Amino acid sequence: ETGVTQSPTHLIKTRGQQVTLRCSSQSGHNTVSWYQQALGQGPQFIFQYYREEENGRGNFPPRFSGLQFPNYSSELNVNALELDDSALYLCASSRSGTGGFGYTFGSGTRLTVV
Amino acid sequence: EDQVTQSPEALRLQEGESSSLNCSYTVSGLRGLFWYRQDPGKGPEFLFTLYSAGEEKEKERLKATLTKKESFLHITAPKPEDSATYLCAVLPGSGAGSYQLTFGKGTKLSVIP
Repeated sequence: ETGVTQSPTHLIKTRGQQVTLRCSSQSGHNTVSWYQQALGQGPQFIFQYYREEENGRGNFPPRFSGLQFPNYSSELNVNALELDDSALYLCASSRSGTGGFGYTFGSGTRLTVV
Repeated sequence: EDQVTQSPEALRLQEGESSSLNCSYTVSGLRGLFWYRQDPGKGPEFLFTLYSAGEEKEKERLKATLTKKESFLHITAPKPEDSATYLCAVLPGSGAGSYQLTFGKGTKLSVIP
């Protein structure tokens, strides 16, 4: 059973640029959730994807967007990067829209905006 | 608004010195309270889910308990490999946020040999 894989592991971007982060869900999981974890803070929910549609969103602006593909992998896109977007971005997969239960987290992508 | 407060922020223990971590929460109808362990540069690793007041769960040196307002993670005779940040999270019972976890800031535990 494979776990959740995220890429890249580290990334440095300039303010105003756009970034795409990728996540491959665990085998047997069809729901993907994204969380942002700033240094010294707990993870904050960005959004969840189930059946290729966004079915829940946290308090994040529209410049944070995502996709889910037929193989249940997912992308997180952030436009017009700001310095405060620097954080660890975590992907969590689960089964059948359970959202919160049965999460398996990836190791994250560390994004630094300069 | 759901809130989770963890204390202390950091805890240093000698190997073998037992202690407890606290998680206080306010949530609209609790569906589940979760404990995770997070090592530096890694994603959270699931430890326990608690569903109702009075429930207890154990795993090796860890024991989690739940009341209507707080949860405790008891660590008995810790070892250096227990050093990590321990995160508490809640899942509300209803409403628009019923699919998302609300996390606390975590307690950073250091166990000194």
